[in-house]
Amino acid sequence: QQPVQSPQAVILREGEDAVINCSSSKALYSVHWYRQKHGEAPVFLMILLKGGEQKGHEKISASFNEKKQQSSLYLTASQLSYSGTYFCGISNSNSGYALNFGKGTSLLVTP
Amino acid sequence: DGGITQSPKYLFRKEGQNVTLSCEQNLNHDAMYWYRQDPGQGLRLIYYSQIVNDFQKGDIAEGYSVSREKKESFPLTVTSAQKNPTAFYLCASSIKATPNEQYFGPGTRLTVT
Repeated sequence: QQPVQSPQAVILREGEDAVINCSSSKALYSVHWYRQKHGEAPVFLMILLKGGEQKGHEKISASFNEKKQQSSLYLTASQLSYSGTYFCGISNSNSGYALNFGKGTSLLVTP
Repeated sequence: DGGITQSPKYLFRKEGQNVTLSCEQNLNHDAMYWYRQDPGQGLRLIYYSQIVNDFQKGDIAEGYSVSREKKESFPLTVTSAQKNPTAFYLCASSIKATPNEQYFGPGTRLTVT
């Protein structure tokens, strides 16, 4: 089932913080976060696994709340380059090879 | 440089014609995926393959077909049975079919008129 992302859109001034949430109606095994700029391919940000393991390339933090079946992505001291659409993709089991992606959160950082 | 290539970037077809989208990776990844992206809908899984000569349907497989004869190639055919084929198609791969980073290709924008 498709996860629900909130908010749908957010506008920030450079340097401000934002939180993007991803909620599932089923128990989560893993949550993947990607950022996509207009007309480009999504770029990997982070994976969070049940049990606390995290894999990521950028200095972006996120949380995984198993009890609430949700994940949150924290964007602090935002930069202009953070603008884009953020997608979470979820897997509900450790044999779930495929991800269900949310509809995305559009983030615009202004000078 | 390693990566995923998709060709062409833009594709135009007449209704009723089948069309094949190319996806090639030189990352030596086992798993490959096809997603469809429509405005405001996020990414929806069409097909995925964990290993050569094996593939599974995703959420919206109807009207699509795939093959995985080589590790590096995972072409997608959009058949005339697909009712709304106009979309942005993204191919991705991951080292294994377990929770791992997916690398995406640049996408193919298909327009059917």
